[in-house]
Amino acid sequence: DGGITQSPKYLFRKEGQNVTLSCEQNLNHDAMYWYRQDPGQGLRLIYYSQIVNDFQKGDIAEGYSVSREKKESFPLTVTSAQKNPTAFYLCASSMKAGARTQYFGPGTRLTVL
Amino acid sequence: GENVEQHPSTLSVQEGDSAVIKCTYSDSASNYFPWYKQELGKRPQLIIDIRSNVGEKKDQRIAVTLNKTAKHFSLHITETQPEDSAVYFCAAGGILTGGGNKLTFGTGTQLKVEL
Repeated sequence: DGGITQSPKYLFRKEGQNVTLSCEQNLNHDAMYWYRQDPGQGLRLIYYSQIVNDFQKGDIAEGYSVSREKKESFPLTVTSAQKNPTAFYLCASSMKAGARTQYFGPGTRLTVL
Repeated sequence: GENVEQHPSTLSVQEGDSAVIKCTYSDSASNYFPWYKQELGKRPQLIIDIRSNVGEKKDQRIAVTLNKTAKHFSLHITETQPEDSAVYFCAAGGILTGGGNKLTFGTGTQLKVEL
């Protein structure tokens, strides 16, 4: 999991602003995922992508957008439409086949001021 | 969609005792069940996983059991140590046709191992 990086570690946003969270992996994984973690609620899937230029909504996609222009990168934009964006955001990746274990990045903690 | 329930939410054990965390799932199509350990402020890390064609899997002090009929699976940690203190998450999901897998996570168990 050391091959997955997220930036920034901490992010502060004013209400009404869009922000983009970065996720990069050098593990040559095809699939990438974004999760949101809130206290007491575990991890919830926002979006996932199995291949470049394709992605699917997860369970809580409203107010978020993603892109997958490169295999290594899967940025997440938190838009102003997301009513409660303060959370810990985790990116993960996995191989397309085989074990398919999801490996997580270190996370970005987003706070709305 | 899949729904995963995890119990207990907190668990306190004495060093050397065993700890058991239980999860139930709703979707009979789920066929992959990983367990993650997350220390405070850190990323979740896979500690063990099991697939639906296996009933039990063990790795040193950690074991996972799966009962497909009852749709529940459990994590067993023996001879607990202070460094086992963390939040543990179970997850259930299926392998995606196009690659990867889609997981639904439980709400986590805060394990505290006391000296």
